[in-house]
Amino acid sequence: QKEVEQNSGPLSVPEGAIASLNCTYSDRGSQSFFWYRQYSGKSPELIMFIYSNGDKEDGRFTAQLNKASQYVSLLIRDSQPSDSATYLCASPRGSAQKLVFGQGTRLTINP
Amino acid sequence: EAGVTQSPTHLIKTRGQQATLRCSPISGHTSVYWYQQALGLGLQFLLWYDEGEERNRGNFPPRFSGRQFPNYSSELNVNALELEDSALYLCAASERGETQYFGPGTRLLVL
Repeated sequence: QKEVEQNSGPLSVPEGAIASLNCTYSDRGSQSFFWYRQYSGKSPELIMFIYSNGDKEDGRFTAQLNKASQYVSLLIRDSQPSDSATYLCASPRGSAQKLVFGQGTRLTINP
Repeated sequence: EAGVTQSPTHLIKTRGQQATLRCSPISGHTSVYWYQQALGLGLQFLLWYDEGEERNRGNFPPRFSGRQFPNYSSELNVNALELEDSALYLCAASERGETQYFGPGTRLLVL
């Protein structure tokens, strides 16, 4: 079992709808999670991070963490074509705080 | 404030050659992480440098090495290049233990 798992997609969502991206993890000791957005051919860009159980909102983005279920998600409201990208879920590991990434979910927003 | 920078943007080498990739972190960020993103393999942790020392390395052979300079910039060296080393190499910087911000990456092609 991979430490961080994501559905690779592709996930197709109509413009204006809510896009829901999911991530599960195997290490119950994981404390924090990061969502990065990566456009094709570009480097990952931080969207948001979450440490505590529950929801964290930032503009159109909401991250949700459920430590009991070992599940973290990212909701994108009012999806725009510019949201079309691969979304990476990551969690730091060990004293190095190296990021362990899921394989990413490719999201396409259809106009 | 300038972000993380990397050079060169693209690098073409042949098998057996050596490649040198460079990274300059955000001012005040002393930790530099190197990741490899090969096609179909996702983002893999390579190396972590902090305060001039190699602190941790991922599951990569010793021909992947590097260093960190007194100004916290870093260099990744890949010796005896193999075809499968073709990938996007990403540098990320952070204040120790904090959120990692990625540079634009160096795309290495080994022929």
